Formats: sequence, structure tokens, C-alpha cells
Amino acid sequence: IAGITQAPTSQILAAGRRMTLRCTQDMRHNAMYWYRQDLGLGLRLIHYSNTAGTTGKGEVPDGYSVSRANTDDFPLTLASAVPSQTSVYFCASSEAGGITEAFFGQGTRLTVV
Amino acid sequence: AQSVTQLDSQVPVFEEAPVELRCNYSSSVSVYLFWYVQYPNQGLQLLLKYLSGSTLVKGINGFEAEFNKSQTSFHLRKPSVHISDTAEYFCAVSPGGSYIPTFGRGTSLIVHP
Repeated sequence: IAGITQAPTSQILAAGRRMTLRCTQDMRHNAMYWYRQDLGLGLRLIHYSNTAGTTGKGEVPDGYSVSRANTDDFPLTLASAVPSQTSVYFCASSEAGGITEAFFGQGTRLTVV
Repeated sequence: AQSVTQLDSQVPVFEEAPVELRCNYSSSVSVYLFWYVQYPNQGLQLLLKYLSGSTLVKGINGFEAEFNKSQTSFHLRKPSVHISDTAEYFCAVSPGGSYIPTFGRGTSLIVHP
């Protein structure tokens, strides 16, 4: 089934540890995004990529990094996790950026303790 | 910069009653507008979108929305809700040509029997 796959689905992580959230899409979409969802704050953009080889910072990029080596993959790395990074993380993609709808993965629930 | 305001964080309603979820945006350029729905423990999925043309847009599951440029609004409506419509609803806006959609904080629709 075409779409976006995120892994893991959930994770408990010790503070200070490094963690990479994986995101793969098979729709050949140019644009990809990482959002975090927190109660009462909705979805906040962490990083985005308009096309393979380029990335940009969103609203809340501190403590996170991304790479876009190819069209399909857009991993999100927490270099040294902190409790405030406890959240649900969603990866999304769209064919032509903001003029087409975004397709979302099922999310990764991350708890930093 | 654009912003999206969803005026109600929570909307309780009885089954078979009509509902309106409000969304206002601010942008100095033309925009593309979207409504997404998120069922518990799932990612977001598209309900409907406005790109151009008719200001009344029909989506899935009997939902519709009306674009009002003068009031910068894109309210979502359904004439008769079902228990299964209980979910989180997000309004999103993309300024013309932008690759980055901005999401509102979400409205929790709670349908009571």
C-alpha cells in the first residue's frame, strides 16, 4: 500500500541518548516535513525539505536535525534527547509543496525520561 | 507570514445535529486552504481543500467548507453528525507558491449519542 511509513511507532528514550526517527515514502513526492504534535499546541513544523538534497528549518528546529539524501527517505535525528522532546512526531509528504495536500504517516510516540 | 486560528479548541454536539468548526487565517497573498481529520492514534488525512474556483467545497464524509475571502475564513460544516465523526480537525493554509503548510491548533469534535 502506497504511503508513508514511520518507525518506530513508539519509543521510550533515556535523556541524553541519540535517536533517529525514520520516515520513508513511496509516492515520489518532492516535499517532506516533520511535525511534532503536543496537546493544545497542534502541529508545529520542525524541519522540511522541498526536494532531495535540500532542507530547511521550521518553527521548532532546535535539538533536531534532518537529511534528505534521496527522494524517499527523510530521517529526523535527536542528537541528545531532553524531556521536552516528549511528543508525537509525524512525517508528511506532498507532491508539489503547499498547493497539494499532505499525506501523513501514522506517527511516532516518543517519551524521553 | 501566515497564521491559522481555530477559534474553538473543543466542540461538543449531539448526534444528528449540525456542526460548524471555525477557521480564520491571515495572509497577505492568495492562499490554498485545507481541512484534515485525525482519528485517535492515527495520522492526519485530508477532508477537503480549496485551491481556486467555487468558494463552496465539498469533501468526504458529508463535510463541506466555504471560503470567504473578505472575512479570511474557511469554516467547516456538516448538516448532521455521527458518532464516528468524533475526532480532531485541523485547518491548514499554504500561501500561493509556498511549500510549507501552516496548521491551526486543532478542534476536538465530540459527538454525543
